[in-house]
Amino acid sequence: AQSVSQHNHHVILSEAASLELGCNYSYGGTVNLFWYVQYPGQHLQLLLKYFSGDPLVKGIKGFEAEFIKSKFSFNLRKPSVQWSDTAEYFCAVRDDKIIFGKGTRLHILP
Amino acid sequence: DTGVSQNPRHKITKRGQNVTFRCDPISEHNRLYWYRQTLGQGPEFLTYFQNEAQLEKSRLLSDRFSAERPKGSFSTLEIQRTEQGDSAMYLCASSRDRIYGYTFGSGTRLTVV
Repeated sequence: AQSVSQHNHHVILSEAASLELGCNYSYGGTVNLFWYVQYPGQHLQLLLKYFSGDPLVKGIKGFEAEFIKSKFSFNLRKPSVQWSDTAEYFCAVRDDKIIFGKGTRLHILP
Repeated sequence: DTGVSQNPRHKITKRGQNVTFRCDPISEHNRLYWYRQTLGQGPEFLTYFQNEAQLEKSRLLSDRFSAERPKGSFSTLEIQRTEQGDSAMYLCASSRDRIYGYTFGSGTRLTVV
């Protein structure tokens, strides 16, 4: 069965710092990979997705993620975070349904 | 596209009571999913439908839980004889097909007292 592991449960950064959130998945087949974000009090929103092609995927709000097949990883990055990026971030993998990781709570200090 | 709508937004119920939640997906989406999310956890898959057919149920979905999507449009999730451990956010999502990403609703927060 597929699974997703997010290494960082809680990350605190200052504004303008660079961000990288780790995500590893276990699934042997063709994967679809996602990052979702949940801002305080709001519903889950799709940040970006990887289906095939260029392993460097660009999403909304300046986020990007790199699919590295040999490492089973799909890390999320942003070169310079803003206070408004404070949220919970979920990595997810899909075969027939989406399986989510436990999430990383990101807190940006103003 | 009015998004995925879930009702009610909040439900407080006494232990042992039955509750029912409703989800209205995006109209052209034929897949509908139910998830449960507790504090500090990611959404956990419960079940999904393709049109009116329920194609998969998680082991998390005990006999007290039942979901329906009678006409392939809206869906209901019923919990019978609620327990305190059922307290969670229940999320509904829909997608056009299996290869597309999901659109999530705002969820129904259940509190069992």
